[in-house]
Amino acid sequence: QQQVKQSPQSLIVQKGGISIINCAYENTAFDYFPWYQQFPGKGPALLIAIRPDVSEKKEGRFTISFNKSAKQFSLHIMDSQPGDSATYFCAASANTGFQKLVFGTGTRLLVSP
Amino acid sequence: DADVTQTPRNRITKTGKRIMLECSQTKGHDRMYWYRQDPGLGLRLIYYSFDVKDINKGEISDGYSVSRQAQAKFSLSLESAIPNQTALYFCATSDRRDIGYTFGSGTRLTVV
Repeated sequence: QQQVKQSPQSLIVQKGGISIINCAYENTAFDYFPWYQQFPGKGPALLIAIRPDVSEKKEGRFTISFNKSAKQFSLHIMDSQPGDSATYFCAASANTGFQKLVFGTGTRLLVSP
Repeated sequence: DADVTQTPRNRITKTGKRIMLECSQTKGHDRMYWYRQDPGLGLRLIYYSFDVKDINKGEISDGYSVSRQAQAKFSLSLESAIPNQTALYFCATSDRRDIGYTFGSGTRLTVV
């Protein structure tokens, strides 16, 4: 059973466009929601993260939007660049004891020049 | 040098063989994890360890075992490899004070 559902599986965006990746969860105990970026041949790297006490967090061109009532969160990449082409994973954890992260299935983003 | 080092980077092994994947870290983190990545399935947790004396099964531990030899070393073993264990394996670390994970570069394992 997938605890964090991620969509779409793949995404093609033109340079300068907005990339949007969505995730949904069921476990109301989740209270930490990071996004990881993975380039080919590399391990995932933390990109940006949010806690449910805020509805939005922005770091440069990357923004997380969080909707607690809908149990959904999304990653927006503004002014997408070819260098953003990578696989993106959403994740969640409940910080009520241990920090095990549960990951989504990943989205392969291709930004065309 | 990388903060989290996985060896080997690539390995091809035969069905039924025992194989060990190794992970070492210089982050000083107390928590270590083994994940498996498969296309369309994302990253799934195999085992995790919050200190040297603590080992816990993840969601897909069957067919795997681990050893935490020291705070900095965490090994994953496949006792008798089978083809559906062909995957990309990642080691990760975290600190109890900082929830962010640091991943290694992965081991690509092929079981033939």
